[in-house]
Amino acid sequence: DAKTTQPNSMESNEEEPVHLPCNHSTISGTDYIHWYRQLPSQGPEYVIHGLTSNVNNRMASLAIAEDRKSSTLILHRATLRDAAVYYCIPFTGTASKLTFGTGTRLQVTL
Amino acid sequence: GAGVSQSPSNKVTEKGKDVELRCDPISGHTALYWYRQSLGQGLEFLIYFQGNSAPDKSGLPSDRFSAERTGGSVSTLTIQRTQQEDSAVYLCASSPGVWVETQYFGPGTRLLVL
Repeated sequence: DAKTTQPNSMESNEEEPVHLPCNHSTISGTDYIHWYRQLPSQGPEYVIHGLTSNVNNRMASLAIAEDRKSSTLILHRATLRDAAVYYCIPFTGTASKLTFGTGTRLQVTL
Repeated sequence: GAGVSQSPSNKVTEKGKDVELRCDPISGHTALYWYRQSLGQGLEFLIYFQGNSAPDKSGLPSDRFSAERTGGSVSTLTIQRTQQEDSAVYLCASSPGVWVETQYFGPGTRLLVL
């Protein structure tokens, strides 16, 4: 499994953009980069994934470095409901376990 | 539609007792996963089922842990002779079983072994 490095914690003010970085320098060529988040007392939920190109969905944007050794999850306007632990997970598609690292705990304040 | 459901939501048991945890995946999902999360720890993979294939049991921490999936749907995780270190939140997830799939997680069962 590719090793990931994420900051332990980050803080943001509400309604400001948040950039959550992840280093995955040992990622294989077939690994997609998935992001999940875990809100307090809930199971993880999928946020976004990508391979090489930047990706957008209703929750967030994913910016992937050209060499694919790092990526950044972008929350365009953080809300209090976005306070969670965010996990970056290289994942080779079908039929495989997700290997969760320690993630980044995002705190959002008024 | 309905998401992944798990029961019970909370379970308190005495050391040495057996417990069964249930997971109902999203209808039509062929892949089912069990993870656990100990207090203050990350999520740890336990076991994975995909269709009729033999399950991937590589994450089970000991032979006291077992799981089955009947009829390709509901799954039960059984822990025999529970120990205090088994206390954790046990999470189940399911996925469609196709390429680059998203895993959908249930709310978990919080197990406390006294």
